[in-house]
Amino acid sequence: EVQLVESGGELVQPGGSLRLSCAASGFSLSDRYIDWVRQAPGKGLEWIGRSRNKANSYTTEYAASVKGRFTLSRDESKNSLYLQMNSLKTEDTAVYYCGRINGRLSDGMDVWGQGTTVSVSS
Amino acid sequence: DIQLTQSPSFLSASVGDRVTITCRASQDFSNYLAWYQQKPGKAPKLLIYGASTLQSGVPSRFSGSGSGTEFTLTISSLQPEDFATYYCQQLKGYPITFGQGTRLEIK
Repeated sequence: EVQLVESGGELVQPGGSLRLSCAASGFSLSDRYIDWVRQAPGKGLEWIGRSRNKANSYTTEYAASVKGRFTLSRDESKNSLYLQMNSLKTEDTAVYYCGRINGRLSDGMDVWGQGTTVSVSS
Repeated sequence: DIQLTQSPSFLSASVGDRVTITCRASQDFSNYLAWYQQKPGKAPKLLIYGASTLQSGVPSRFSGSGSGTEFTLTISSLQPEDFATYYCQQLKGYPITFGQGTRLEIK
């Protein structure tokens, strides 16, 4: 079964750090672009970053709201992708989803994880 | 940034109704548009990509159209399981952006 599973979300204090994981099964992450999207409580969806596939050297893009604080990386041996979150702010509180881009860039995100909750509070 | 504005933001309809949601963009991005359905506490689900291509497994009562700066999602005959929030997303330019969402509720 093709699946993404996020983990690592928890309560953290402002200024703290957290690393989220996105583990894939049923397909090779290295072949695909993977995006991260978050959803603050009661709010809409916000795209926060992209990790391109191996053919594109795993290069990344970030939203302005997280650029310089969040970093995407991958571990091919674990078929996993990581979102390192530093200098966390209260406004980073959200459910974080990773999602697979469905083939071409125009194709949207066809597989999503279940989400992991990050709460930033003192 | 490409801004996406969905209308309406809230829609009340009955089972069997035909409904249309519009997504207007601040600039042209061809057909790099996707539509998602999200139910409370769940991850979004891809319905339409490339503005008009139905994702595998999605019922044919869902359809998408448009190009350039105006796009529509139509549900031809609402079913009870269709009451949810719908989002459009542009995948052409960075940052990738979503519309603010349309909440579809039972009348």
